[in-house]
Amino acid sequence: QQQVKQSPQSLIVQKGGISIINCAYENTAFDYFPWYQQFPGKGPALLIAIRPDVSEKKEGRFTISFNKSAKQFSLHIMDSQPGDSATYFCAPTGGTSYGKLTFGQGTILTVHP
Amino acid sequence: EAGVVQSPRYKIIEKKQPVAFWCNPISGHNTLYWYRQNLGQGPELLIRYENEEAVDDSQLPKDRFSAERLKGVDSTLKIQPAELGDSAVYLCASSRNWQTNEQFFGPGTRLTVL
Repeated sequence: QQQVKQSPQSLIVQKGGISIINCAYENTAFDYFPWYQQFPGKGPALLIAIRPDVSEKKEGRFTISFNKSAKQFSLHIMDSQPGDSATYFCAPTGGTSYGKLTFGQGTILTVHP
Repeated sequence: EAGVVQSPRYKIIEKKQPVAFWCNPISGHNTLYWYRQNLGQGPELLIRYENEEAVDDSQLPKDRFSAERLKGVDSTLKIQPAELGDSAVYLCASSRNWQTNEQFFGPGTRLTVL
């Protein structure tokens, strides 16, 4: 899945800190940019998503920033909590890949109390 | 509403044995997906159904994998014969239709091939 690259692979943050995860994509036809959250033993669940007509979307402590020219989008978690410890995946879709989520490799986030 | 149901949750088999996974999607969801998630990786799509029709099976290894969704509701994914490299978590997901971007995932079946 070379067309979607996430960074970092893992991230350790103290409680109350800011977590930032980045996703770079190659397919310019993508037009839906979601982040999924996965806890151990569970399937991924949609956390937040953005369309390319806006540069930022905020839902509670979670914000997506989108940079169309750089073909990148990022997830910011403000005031990170131990309960946010999970694996996060970007999974853009669109164009001829419509309906097919292209998952990144995942970022393991650990929030220490 | 009830979520996506998968069974079994865990399966351990010897190589060359057959195995089957079952999925019941969220009621009213016409689109059903099977993904494979290898350890430490993101899920990869195996097959997508619109009602009972497989509309994208380009990533399904057809020599050993098969799937069906006979009445457009629940679905079965089969591997015969299983190989060591098939050890993974098999995830089922559903969405209201192909135009709906949000996919709802089940808990998955963890397959171990010995």
